[in-house]
Amino acid sequence: EAGVTQFPSHSVIEKGQTVTLRCDPISGHDNLYWYRRVMGKEIKFLLHFVKESKQDESGMPNNRFLAERTGGTYSTLKVQPAELEDSGVYFCASSQFPGTGELFFGEGSRLTVL
Amino acid sequence: AQKVTQAQTEISVVEKEDVTLDCVYETRDTTYYLFWYKQPPSGELVFLIRRNSFDEQNEISGRYSWNFQKSTSSFNFTITASQVVDSAVYFCALGSSNRDDKIIFGKGTRLHILP
Repeated sequence: EAGVTQFPSHSVIEKGQTVTLRCDPISGHDNLYWYRRVMGKEIKFLLHFVKESKQDESGMPNNRFLAERTGGTYSTLKVQPAELEDSGVYFCASSQFPGTGELFFGEGSRLTVL
Repeated sequence: AQKVTQAQTEISVVEKEDVTLDCVYETRDTTYYLFWYKQPPSGELVFLIRRNSFDEQNEISGRYSWNFQKSTSSFNFTITASQVVDSAVYFCALGSSNRDDKIIFGKGTRLHILP
């Protein structure tokens, strides 16, 4: 069974450009989460989808970030326009039964904004 | 409020030494989960362990062991006979079974294993 996959693994862009990160959760997992770790800091929650609906987006830093999950399958996280402080690793995770702690993380997408 | 504290920002030990990474948590939930993740230089998050709050038994997996002490709200991680490949950032995390799987991470401990 395929795990959570993220694309791209690494993206280097210039300040002001746009980047779209993609996450494919484990098949059948309705719950999808985005987290990020900016340089040297803790991993922070960004948002949570249940199918195509945003259950909790309290961690989204500002309106330059847009997450979508059309059709309740894969999700995208767009950063537009990117700023230097957006550099970090963006992790996606999925779970089938929330509250069980069975959360599966992808390998992350490293974003470097120059 | 939920909180995870990893007081050790950075630790360096010589290979083959034992090392313990501390984790202290705060939660008002009666049922919760504790995790340890490893982030090697390549950047991915590697799941190490998940512990239910009802299960206070210590666990050993090869060179890794975990000490869960509910009385002190601690979930410490020990690596025995450390190896250079153990060098990474280690995150302790807390989740609640009363909600979704939104988990709270500590700030991480960067572990350097010196050859």
